Parts: sequence; structure tokens; C-alpha cells
Amino acid sequence: AQTVTQSQPEMSVQEAETVTLSCTYDTSESDYYLFWYKQPPSRQMILVIRQEAYKQQNATENRFSVNFQKAAKSFSLKISDSQLGDAAMYFCVPSFANAGNMLTFGGGTRLMVKP
Amino acid sequence: DTGVSQNPRHKITKRGQNVTFRCDPISEHNRLYWYRQTLGQGPEFLTYFQNEAQLEKSRLLSDRFSAERPKGSFSTLEIQRTEQGDSAMYLCASSYDRDEAFFGQGTRLTVV
Repeated sequence: AQTVTQSQPEMSVQEAETVTLSCTYDTSESDYYLFWYKQPPSRQMILVIRQEAYKQQNATENRFSVNFQKAAKSFSLKISDSQLGDAAMYFCVPSFANAGNMLTFGGGTRLMVKP
Repeated sequence: DTGVSQNPRHKITKRGQNVTFRCDPISEHNRLYWYRQTLGQGPEFLTYFQNEAQLEKSRLLSDRFSAERPKGSFSTLEIQRTEQGDSAMYLCASSYDRDEAFFGQGTRLTVV
């Protein structure tokens, strides 16, 4: 069975600074997708960034970027120039083919942004 | 496109009653997921449809839970004989194949 571990239950960052959220997972597959989702206090889950495992280049989306280490099965999220609106729960979510591509959620990291 | 729609947004029910939730996915999406989330926790997988076929169902799901997706369009999630432990946010999401999933705003269930 695939597992997803987010080892940081809570993180705090000063506004305008950079923070990195970590995620590791376990799988025997070689072809899968990885997502980071954000859930603000209003609770609607929204996509932050995606990475296809076959791509070597790390995904970037404006202030958000990932460090994808396939061999280490690590998928961290870096948020640059943090803003107050970045405060939310962040979930690392792999999508594995032999799990029917259902999304497997990690336990989440609560990010607090200090003004 | 108005995104994934879930109804009702809130439901309060007495223990032992049956409840049904509805999810309308994004129209061109062939996959539909149901998750349950309690406060401070990550979403827990319940079930998943590819078109009208229910392909996966969590072993954690008791026989009191059933889901349908007739004609591969909207989906319903029914909980029979509700218990207090069923109180949670029920999330629906849809996607096109392995692409990103879009989530609805959820249905908050309170069993009293």
C-alpha cells in the first residue's frame, strides 16, 4: 500500500520570506502524478502545483515551486515571498495508477504566515 | 463552467436517520471521488467512479454507506442509520483521467 508522510504538522513563516514544506511517499510505481493542494480556512481544496513523475524538471507556478527527488521519493513545496493569503492547510497528494489513480492524501501541514 | 457543486452545504440530522448528498461534477470530467474529512485531518478516501462504474470503495466504509453515479453524470452519497461518528465534512471532487482534481465546497454533516 502506498503511504504519504508530511512530517511537519505545523509551520510558521514571516511574511515575504520563504518556507519549504516536506513530503515523502512510498510506492513501487514509476509513473504517477504528484500534487500539492491548499485548503484555506473556508475549506475548499484548491490545486497549488502538479508534477508528473516522468518529468525531470521541477514544476514551478509563480511563487510556488517543487523539489522532486524521484529516487528519494520526496516531493517538497517551496513558497517564496510568503503572503498572508498563503495561510492554509497544505496537502501532499500522490496519484498512483495501481491505486486506481485515487488521490492519496498526506496528513497535511498547517502553514501560518506572520505579518 | 461553474465548478464542482455539492448540495446541501450543511445537513443536521438525528441519529438513526438516513441522509443523501449530491455532487455535480464538472461536465467533461469522467472521474468522481468522494472523501470524508474531520476537523484537523486530511481527507479520507471513500469511493471513486470512472464514468458510471464504481471502481474503488474504501474498506473502511461500512455497509451503511452507498454511492451511485447514474449515467456517469452527478453522484449521490447515501448514509443509512446515521451515527454520531458520521459527523464530518463530505467532499466531492472530479477530474478528467489523471489530471488535477477539482473539489466542491463540501457538505457538512452534523448528527445529533
